[in-house]
Amino acid sequence: SQELEQSPQSLIVQEGKNLTINCTSSKTLYGLYWYKQKYGEGLIFLMMLQKGGEEKSHEKITAKLDEKKQQSSLHITASQPSHAGIYLCGADMNYGKLTFGQGTILTVHP
Amino acid sequence: GAVVSQHPSRVICKSGTSVKIECRSLDFQATTMFWYRQFPKQSLMLMATSNEGSKATYEQGVEKDKFLINHASLTLSTLTVTSAHPEDSSFYICSARASEDRTYEQYFGPGTRLTVT
Repeated sequence: SQELEQSPQSLIVQEGKNLTINCTSSKTLYGLYWYKQKYGEGLIFLMMLQKGGEEKSHEKITAKLDEKKQQSSLHITASQPSHAGIYLCGADMNYGKLTFGQGTILTVHP
Repeated sequence: GAVVSQHPSRVICKSGTSVKIECRSLDFQATTMFWYRQFPKQSLMLMATSNEGSKATYEQGVEKDKFLINHASLTLSTLTVTSAHPEDSSFYICSARASEDRTYEQYFGPGTRLTVT
């Protein structure tokens, strides 16, 4: 099984709806990164979480890291077509080397 | 801020030739750079970590003689795929961090798509 599990694997929502993507680790994380990727392109940094219970927001995207530092969630409020893409969580489990989840493909219908 | 570039964005080469990919941090000094590869519809896999002025450390299963990494300056790291074969065709992405301190963010380049014919 993967060290880092993302769910769901894909998500289709109507514009304006809220959504949540989860990232669960089998180990305690030192840090958790969220990135967005469009197919065939690089990764866009969204947020980095390091402290248990930490929550960060940027525009309509909020990410949380649970107290035990084994699970993170990414929440998008009032989704827009521009939010569409592949969302990847990356976990720092080994001195800054990131292990990535398998990604969540988000489609937002206008 | 925190822009990382890669060059070239796409490259096609013949089997047996070598290809060099550059990764540059444009607006910060990158003490540490990472190289990843990504196969279609799969996630990123770390290949190696390089710190400026030091030899790169490779992940298990990655051939260091095949994937040569040079981190000669605080803004440039290069990955050379030597004697490329079709199975080396992949999407190669670098990331850069302003410190060896793991608390610093990692910023990714746009990637380089390598096709070996």
